[in-house]
Amino acid sequence: SAVISQKPSRDICQRGTSLTIQCQVDSQVTMMFWYRQQPGQSLTLIATANQGSEATYESGFVIDKFPISRPNLTFSTLTVSNMSPEDSSIYLCSVLELVTEAFFGQGTRLTVV
Amino acid sequence: KQEVTQIPAALSVPEGENLVLNCSFTDSAIYNLQWFRQDPGKGLTSLLLIQSSQREQTSGRLNASLDKSSGRSTLYIAASQPGDSATYLCAPRGDYGGSQGNLIFGKGTKLSVKP
Repeated sequence: SAVISQKPSRDICQRGTSLTIQCQVDSQVTMMFWYRQQPGQSLTLIATANQGSEATYESGFVIDKFPISRPNLTFSTLTVSNMSPEDSSIYLCSVLELVTEAFFGQGTRLTVV
Repeated sequence: KQEVTQIPAALSVPEGENLVLNCSFTDSAIYNLQWFRQDPGKGLTSLLLIQSSQREQTSGRLNASLDKSSGRSTLYIAASQPGDSATYLCAPRGDYGGSQGNLIFGKGTKLSVKP
């Protein structure tokens, strides 16, 4: 299975600032995804990170708030912009292997104060 | 729109018990279904993947079954151990005429196994 490294593992940020989360995979993967897990809630898909083109965002998520980069087949970043306390969540990177099985990174626990 | 329900929401058992976690989903047009484990504040670990054509999958003390037509999956954990304490998430993936949809997650079952 793919090994996914996410950085940072946790951070405490001031409101109004931005945080960039990195996701590195140990093998080339076609499909990478970013999820959000708000406190006490289940996972919600933010966007699909497409290599060489703009990310595809789910309803309720916009590029200005969550810009995503995917420069190659092993790396992606998610930026949480102009943060507010409501952005406090765990953010997770995920990949699809063999086009069917999903694997996740260890997550980034973000607290906005 | 797919909705996933997991019952019970929380479960506390003594070590050694066999237990069953339930997952139901409203749209039976699924490509596959995954069970994950999540430790507090951490990411997800994939436990079992069941393809839509399969009835069950086994890995060690874990056995997952799938009844696609009735929209149900169960995760059976044999001889539970304190190290099994975690939240267990069920996630079916939609099948749209051969194209895969996204994973849709339930809220999970929080399991506590007491020594």
